Amino acid sequence: AQSVTQLGSHVSVSEGALVLLRCNYSSSVPPYLFWYVQYPNQGLQLLLKYTSAATLVKGINGFEAEFKKSETSFHLTKPSAHMSDAAEYFCAVSRKTSYDKVIFGPGTSLSVIP
Amino acid sequence: EPEVTQTPSHQVTQMGQEVILRCVPISNHLYFYWYRQILGQKVEFLVSFYNNEISEKSEIFDDQFSVERPDGSNFTLKIRSTKLEDSAMYFCASSPGQGSGAFFGQGTRLTVV
Repeated sequence: AQSVTQLGSHVSVSEGALVLLRCNYSSSVPPYLFWYVQYPNQGLQLLLKYTSAATLVKGINGFEAEFKKSETSFHLTKPSAHMSDAAEYFCAVSRKTSYDKVIFGPGTSLSVIP
Repeated sequence: EPEVTQTPSHQVTQMGQEVILRCVPISNHLYFYWYRQILGQKVEFLVSFYNNEISEKSEIFDDQFSVERPDGSNFTLKIRSTKLEDSAMYFCASSPGQGSGAFFGQGTRLTVV
C-alpha cells in the first residue's frame, strides 16, 4: 500500500527565509506525487505534481519540489517565504493508473513570521 | 479557469437525518472522488467513481454512504442517517486521469447536531 509521511507537523520560518517542507513516500514502484496547499477555511489547491518527467518540478507561487528516488523523497521548497504562504501543505501520492485515488499525508502547517 | 463547485458550503443537520452533498465536477473530467477532513485531521479518501460506477471505496464508506451521478453533470454524496462523527469538511474532486492529480472543490462543512 502507498503512504506518505511528512516530517514536522508545524514549521515556522521568517519572512524572506527558505521554506523546506519534507515529504517521504512509500511505494513499491515510483508513483505520481503531488503537493497541495490549503489556506484557512478553503479547499485544496494543487501546487505542483511529479509524473515521471523532470525530477525538479516547478509549481505555482514560486514553489518547487525535487523527486529523489534513492531517498524516496519529494521535498517542497521556496527560496523566500512570503506572509501569504502561511497555510497547510499536504504531500500526496497516487499509483500510476488512470483513475487511482490520491492519498494524502498528514499535512504540515507553515507559519511565516514577519 | 474551470473549477469544481460544491453546494452548500455549510450544512447543519440533526443526527439521524439524511443529507445530500452536491458537486459539479470539471466538465471534461472522467474520474470523480469524495474525501472528508475531520477538523484538524488529515484528508481521507472516501470513494472514487468512474463510468457510472464506484471504482474504489474506503472502509469509511459504509452502507450509510452512497454516490450518484444523476444527470451527467452533478455528482452527489448521500449520507442516509447522519451521526455526530460524520461532522467534517467533505471535498469533491475530479480528474482527467493519467497522473494529472485531482482538482478539489471548496468543500462542504457538515455539522451534525
